[in-house]
Amino acid sequence: KQEVTQIPAALSVPEGENLVLNCSFTDSAIYNLQWFRQDPGKGLTSLLLIQSSQREQTNGRLNASLDKSSGRSTLYIAASQPGDSATYLCALGGGGADGLTFGKGTHLIIQP
Amino acid sequence: NAGVTQTPKFRVLKTGQSMTLLCAQDMNHEYMYWYRQDPGMGLRLIHYSVGEGTTAKGEVPDGYNVSRLKKQNFLLGLESAAPSQTSVYFCASSYGDRGGTEAFFGQGTRLTVV
Repeated sequence: KQEVTQIPAALSVPEGENLVLNCSFTDSAIYNLQWFRQDPGKGLTSLLLIQSSQREQTNGRLNASLDKSSGRSTLYIAASQPGDSATYLCALGGGGADGLTFGKGTHLIIQP
Repeated sequence: NAGVTQTPKFRVLKTGQSMTLLCAQDMNHEYMYWYRQDPGMGLRLIHYSVGEGTTAKGEVPDGYNVSRLKKQNFLLGLESAAPSQTSVYFCASSYGDRGGTEAFFGQGTRLTVV
């Protein structure tokens, strides 16, 4: 069974810092990996989708990488802003599971 | 473009009552999913559908039923609600289930069973 772990569970940093969120998974037979953002009481907003054949994707200040051989993905956020405060979720398609398998998320707080 | 729309957004049920959650998507997606999100558990797949008229069980299907009579709609039913079904329910849709198929989520339904 695919297991997805996100580290750290929570992170608080001052505005302007560059930061890295980590996602690890146990089954490398994935179709894709998707990073989401979830604001309190809201739905999930898709940030980046990386197909299994790709190594990274960029969306503005966000850059996500995928290393299937080591079972890892990172989400890099450059020049963080208070508006980046949210929970970030990593989710994988495939890996022997139906639908997406989610990590429990990283709760990020950017201090003004 | 509305994307994925869930109704209702909030609901309180008494134990034993029934209800139906509606999910509608306007992206002509084949695949639709129902997840539940619980503190400390993350999102877990309840049921999904790979096309009109099809349904399949996910990781936590017990106590729920689903129907996909129209391609754009996916209904989640609770026949006899239990307090353990208190959760936030999310619907999602995608064109396929692999490769470059991005999943889009609704805003969620917060259900409390008392």
